[in-house]
Amino acid sequence: DQQVKQNSPSLSVQEGRISILNCDYTNSMFDYFLWYKKYPAEGPTFLISISSIKDKNEDGRFTVFLNKSAKHLSLHIVPSQPGDSAVYFCAASGVLLQGAQKLVFGQGTRLTINP
Amino acid sequence: DAGITQSPRHKVTETGTPVTLRCHQTENHRYMYWYRQDPGHGLRLIHYSYGVKDTDKGEVSDGYSVSRSKTEDFLLTLESATSSQTSVYFCAISAVSGAKNIQYFGAGTRLSVL
Repeated sequence: DQQVKQNSPSLSVQEGRISILNCDYTNSMFDYFLWYKKYPAEGPTFLISISSIKDKNEDGRFTVFLNKSAKHLSLHIVPSQPGDSAVYFCAASGVLLQGAQKLVFGQGTRLTINP
Repeated sequence: DAGITQSPRHKVTETGTPVTLRCHQTENHRYMYWYRQDPGHGLRLIHYSYGVKDTDKGEVSDGYSVSRSKTEDFLLTLESATSSQTSVYFCAISAVSGAKNIQYFGAGTRLSVL
């Protein structure tokens, strides 16, 4: 039962254009969402997050949009740069025992930026 | 960098042998987590800790045990490794409680069970 889904395993975009990565979730109890970026042989690094009380959060070239009614979020990168080539994971956040954080990850989307 | 060291970075072992992976942090964070990453599954939580000697199971805990005897160290043990445990293992830490939080990840351990 995949609670968080990234239906595009890969995406190829030309340098300078917009990259749009999509993520769907099924559990309406999630109220915080995160995007992580991962390079080969490294751990995931935090990119941007959004609370369910917002529909948009922007940080430089990165913007995350949340559509709660559709249970859908997207990450926009503009303009795309070669260094953005990586695997991107979306994650939905909940709570475990004693305030520990439960992160449920999607399968990841491999983004390739072509010069 | 979040001050997280995972060791070893790579390991090859045989089916049926015990394996221990170590996560060491220098941040004095309360929460520590072990995940595994497999193709088509993203990252899945194995076990987590909310303090010294306080641990609980995650989504895919069968075949794994953990221990945390000091704030800075969180050990993941495969008592008898199987080929299905071939994976990349990530440790993560966080300081703040609750869902609106950020976890910081180590560089990972690539484990191959032959």
